[in-house]
Amino acid sequence: IAGITQAPTSQILAAGRRMTLRCTQDMRHNAMYWYRQDLGLGLRLIHYSNTAGTTGKGEVPDGYSVSRANTDDFPLTLASAVPSQTSVYFCASSVLAGNEQFFGPGTRLTVL
Amino acid sequence: EDKVVQSPLSLVVHEGDTVTLNCSYEVTNFRSLLWYKQEKKAPTFLFMLTSSGIEKKSGRLSSILDKKELFSILNITATQTGDSAVYLCAVRPTGNQFYFGTGTSLTVIP
Repeated sequence: IAGITQAPTSQILAAGRRMTLRCTQDMRHNAMYWYRQDLGLGLRLIHYSNTAGTTGKGEVPDGYSVSRANTDDFPLTLASAVPSQTSVYFCASSVLAGNEQFFGPGTRLTVL
Repeated sequence: EDKVVQSPLSLVVHEGDTVTLNCSYEVTNFRSLLWYKQEKKAPTFLFMLTSSGIEKKSGRLSSILDKKELFSILNITATQTGDSAVYLCAVRPTGNQFYFGTGTSLTVIP
């Protein structure tokens, strides 16, 4: 692994289903983030984690949850997907909270 | 409410032209402003600016911040087709969150 990886690359999901987007980094960065990117709205922060064991809500947290059990992994869960959660999801990390962020390749999620 | 506005929304230029992209912001207790380049997939970091009037430069790209007028510009000289991308501006107020603008889409025609 080099940098940040995300899985899956893309997914089509039926509304109401549960889905976990995976994010792993091997840079030993303390802070990690989840964004969604929608046309005309730019990147919006969903949840963040300043360090392993802590999480916080971003700009658009409703319908999403995260956990940070260790430094490397930061999964994002949609408990019951809705069509408005159709988006491209980016995971990012930074050495410390507030430093420049390095982004993963993204997951394209379609909820029907 | 914290806000980041980028202009223009899109731009089409010919190779060799110089372009200036704008980012204005309204945030509480400004800490830093970042520029990213986004091609097909993930945004890649270009610059972080924290002080007014100090130019950051990398090759043909440069950027400067004006904290009094609350804006930053990103200049690209002698543009190449490889510069075609969406350029994103992000601002960090107090706290650890960044607020992103919607980006400027740059197309460089050969």
